[in-house]
Formats: sequence, structure tokens, C-alpha cells
Amino acid sequence: GDSVTQKQGQVTLSEDDFLFINCTYSTTTYPTLLWYVQYLGQGPQLLLKVTTANNKGISRGFEATYDKGTTSFHLQKASVQESDSAVYFCALVDFSNYNVLYFGSGTKLTVEP
Amino acid sequence: GGIITQTPKFLIGQEGQKLTLKCQQNFNHDTMYWYRQDSGKGLRLIYYSITENDLQKGDLSEGYDASREKKSSFSLTVTSAQKNEMAVFLCASSSGGSERLFFGHGTKLSVL
Repeated sequence: GDSVTQKQGQVTLSEDDFLFINCTYSTTTYPTLLWYVQYLGQGPQLLLKVTTANNKGISRGFEATYDKGTTSFHLQKASVQESDSAVYFCALVDFSNYNVLYFGSGTKLTVEP
Repeated sequence: GGIITQTPKFLIGQEGQKLTLKCQQNFNHDTMYWYRQDSGKGLRLIYYSITENDLQKGDLSEGYDASREKKSSFSLTVTSAQKNEMAVFLCASSSGGSERLFFGHGTKLSVL
């Protein structure tokens, strides 16, 4: 079945550092890949969607791309701020199963001032 | 805009106890979900419902029951709480299978 793997459990950066986190995916269909963000005490919310390989999704200074050859997708931001501290989840849409989302295990980003 | 309300926010139970978590949404969304969030394991799907009175099992449905008697509400029952269990249960809704899910703030479960 469809699955997504997110290996970076925690990332600690300083303000204005470059952020890069990634996931790998497995699917038999054309992938739609997502990034969700969860701020402390809240539920996750959709940050970005990527549906075409090598094209970017862009939102709030974040960019997302995916590479069909390596079945990986990435989230990056050129200059992080303390307010970006949160947990970031990658997710894959399973179109064969009512568009259910499969989430990765999450990357906790801490940005120090 | 709409809102998803989960009750209670915190739930403390005893081993073997049957516990019920409730979720209400006013988006008028068709599809509702229950996910379990454990530290280091991400979000795992327990049950979802694509319309009123429909129930679909997720990967983690064993040990849980769900009920969708109204379009706006979706409840989850832990049939027998496990000792030392600790997790956050997240309810979400979406419109017609959209990949944009709207989540509640969660119910934090602790079992003594």
C-alpha cells in the first residue's frame, strides 16, 4: 500500500538559517504530496501541496518540490524565524482509498533566537 | 469560516475502561476522520466516515469503535483502555475528499 517515511525527528536551527527537510514516498499511482504544519497546542494545518514533479509549491516563504526519480519530496525555507518553530508532517494522498492521507512521523523544528 | 470542537480536551481513564471522545464540526463537511498522534510516530488513521452513518476502518482501528449518527458529529470509543497509554486523538474534516483537512485541537488521553 501507499506509505511515506520521514526520518528527521528533530531539527534545531538559529534564526535566518536555511531549512531543508525531506520525506520518501511509495505509491502505485501518480502522487499528490503535502506538507502540514502543527504549532504547539493546535491541530495540523495544510502548508503546501505539490502535484507535479520538479515544480514548486510555495507558501509563506516555504517551498516544496518532489523528485520522481528518487521518490522523495522536500520542504525548504531560505531563512527561518523563531515563529516557524513547529512540527512539520509530510503526507501522501491515497486516491484509491477515498483520498485518505498517510502522514509521516513528523519533524520537530526548533528555531533559536 | 468553521471550527472543529473536540471534547473533552483531557481525558484520564483507568485500565480496561471504555472511553468516548466526541467531535463536532460546523463546516458542513462530508468526510470526517479520527487520527491518533503518538510521539515519534506521526498521525495514524483510526476511522473515517465519508458521509452520515458511514464508517471506514483505518490502519489502527483495532481496539476502537466509531459512530457518525449526524453529518456534523463523529465520536470515537476506546473499547478497553490500555494501562500507561498516552496519546493525542485528533479529529478532522474535509469537503468531498479534499486533501485539505481541518483539524481540531485534540483530546489528550492518559490511562492510569
